[in-house]
Amino acid sequence: GQNIDQPTEMTATEGAIVQINCTYQTSGFNGLFWYQQHAGEAPTFLSYNVLDGLEEKGRFSSFLSRSKGYSYLLLKELQMKDSASYLCASMDSNYQLIWGAGTKLIIKP
Amino acid sequence: EAQVTQNPRYLITVTGKKLTVTCSQNMNHEYMSWYRQDPGLGLRQIYYSMNVEVTDKGDVPEGYKVSRKEKRNFPLILESPSPNQTSLYFCASSLSGTGDYGYTFGSGTRLTVV
Repeated sequence: GQNIDQPTEMTATEGAIVQINCTYQTSGFNGLFWYQQHAGEAPTFLSYNVLDGLEEKGRFSSFLSRSKGYSYLLLKELQMKDSASYLCASMDSNYQLIWGAGTKLIIKP
Repeated sequence: EAQVTQNPRYLITVTGKKLTVTCSQNMNHEYMSWYRQDPGLGLRQIYYSMNVEVTDKGDVPEGYKVSRKEKRNFPLILESPSPNQTSLYFCASSLSGTGDYGYTFGSGTRLTVV
């Protein structure tokens, strides 16, 4: 079956670094997405990885290992506005997205 | 402004009363999709459309209908809503369905069926 696993909730301190992990099992693979979703709002696109390695985009970086079925989202210099849920999604061989349930990130002062 | 517009934002209705949630995008995107989001579950796809007049079932299509008569619009129809369709619904669009352009989501429709 197809499955995405990510932690339900994480807590971090303002100014620190946090890594949110995601493991995936999908029928085929056409890329791994990360989205940010504030409570009650729409998901917004953060990153897309289709090749192995680290992609950096400002304070946010995303890593992919296709052989391990593993990705992480790294958030640096955490700000209070980063408190949100972070959604991991894998695109399968039919170009359909399989979504994880999301990781709720709580930032404390 | 490039966006996906959903209406209404909030809707409370009674069991069995047909309703339509509208979705419109102004980015000339080929691909559009409907999702529902429930606590503790990931986004689940209801229906999607790769282009005009082409629609396909997602993971949870039962009780829903869609149409894609024009590229910009992709309405979601609940012919006879039931309480288990109470959920937060999102419409999304993308330049193509192949993913590398990312998906743009609408603001969501919170539906309550009593």
